[in-house]
Amino acid sequence: ETGVTQTPRHLVMGMTNKKSLKCEQHLGHNAMYWYKQSAKKPLELMFVYSLEERVENNSVPSRFSPECPNSSHLFLHLHTLQPEDSALYLCASSQEMAYTGELFFGEGSRLTVL
Amino acid sequence: QQQVKQSPQSLIVQKGGISIINCAYENTAFDYFPWYQQFPGKGPALLIAIRPDVSEKKEGRFTISFNKSAKQFSLHIMDSQPGDSATYFCAASNSGGSNYKLTFGKGTLLTVNP
Repeated sequence: ETGVTQTPRHLVMGMTNKKSLKCEQHLGHNAMYWYKQSAKKPLELMFVYSLEERVENNSVPSRFSPECPNSSHLFLHLHTLQPEDSALYLCASSQEMAYTGELFFGEGSRLTVL
Repeated sequence: QQQVKQSPQSLIVQKGGISIINCAYENTAFDYFPWYQQFPGKGPALLIAIRPDVSEKKEGRFTISFNKSAKQFSLHIMDSQPGDSATYFCAASNSGGSNYKLTFGKGTLLTVNP
């Protein structure tokens, strides 16, 4: 496996379900990110981890809960979501948490909330 | 002031033509301007980036033009090919302080007809 891998690729859940998205990076990077991609909207930064410590929580509702157990893995735990949370959730990594650091994105997890 | 405005929303070009995508920003502290390319079903990938100390950067068929006084930058794709059909995102960030965040435009869907 190379690059940034996200699972599952597709997820359908009800508003009362609890699910998790998983991201794994094989690049030896120190920073990992969760982005939300919705149609006709800019990419929205949700969370940033640097060396496993959360650096940024960009005013994200508490129904999204991130976890970074080590520098290679990142999770996004989902519970009691709303239909407007349906989107593509992208994981990314970068060598360092720097403003010019190239972001390496995974292919995303397409979430549908019924 | 953190917005990056991208136009057009969609663009159709004939094979061999020039594709031009424009972005405008308001925050004069922005000093790093990357472009990301996203194919269907894939995550965005860095295409080319520029800093404001130069007015133009070229990599193969892709050129960024930067106009600091107008606070605008654009992506030019020369000799456009059907394989260039993708969504293109401009972005900007500020190296000052601890602001490492990339602010993205809404994206441009480029279709290159054979």
